[in-house]
Amino acid sequence: GENVEQHPSTLSVQEGDSAVIKCTYSDSASNYFPWYKQELGKRPQLIIDIRSNVGEKKDQRIAVTLNKTAKHFSLHITETQPEDSAVYFCAAANAGKSTFGDGTTLTVKP
Amino acid sequence: GAVVSQHPSWVICKSGTSVKIECRSLDFQATTMFWYRQFPKQSLMLMATSNEGSKATYEQGVEKDKFLINHASLTLSTLTVTSAHPEDSSFYICSANRDGSNQPQHFGDGTRLSIL
Repeated sequence: GENVEQHPSTLSVQEGDSAVIKCTYSDSASNYFPWYKQELGKRPQLIIDIRSNVGEKKDQRIAVTLNKTAKHFSLHITETQPEDSAVYFCAAANAGKSTFGDGTTLTVKP
Repeated sequence: GAVVSQHPSWVICKSGTSVKIECRSLDFQATTMFWYRQFPKQSLMLMATSNEGSKATYEQGVEKDKFLINHASLTLSTLTVTSAHPEDSSFYICSANRDGSNQPQHFGDGTRLSIL
């Protein structure tokens, strides 16, 4: 089955700096890569996603890049704000079935 | 937008009790729903794929007789934790999308299960 590795497990940045979270996947059949933000005790919220036929996607301060050959994808958050502090999960999906990374706890210090 | 409703949001019960959790798609039909379990400070682990009108597909290591899944209609899937024990205490969360394809998953609010 699919295996998704996510790094780093914790990330602390100063407000205004950029944050980068990286994931690798093992199954070349995976073709959809969403990123979720989860606050304590709440449901994961989709923040951005990318499909396998696209190399990069941007939405305001958030961007995702995908390297299908190397089987890795990354989340980039620019101009971080304290409210960006949360746990972020990457996932790799095929036919609707998602495998999640272990998560990254992002702390943005004011 | 699409909404997935999960109920109950919080359950505390005694060891040996069976607990049923419902997952409903409110404004779309979901042929496939997914059930996840999340322990504190850990990732979401897929337990099973719930298929409308047929048997659920369980992930390796998940006991079928322990976690009963029923997907009797296109808008409702239920997960029953049978004879729950303290080690079953966790955050259970369902998700669905319209046709099981790689559209964004819509998650329920989750159910926090605490077994005493």
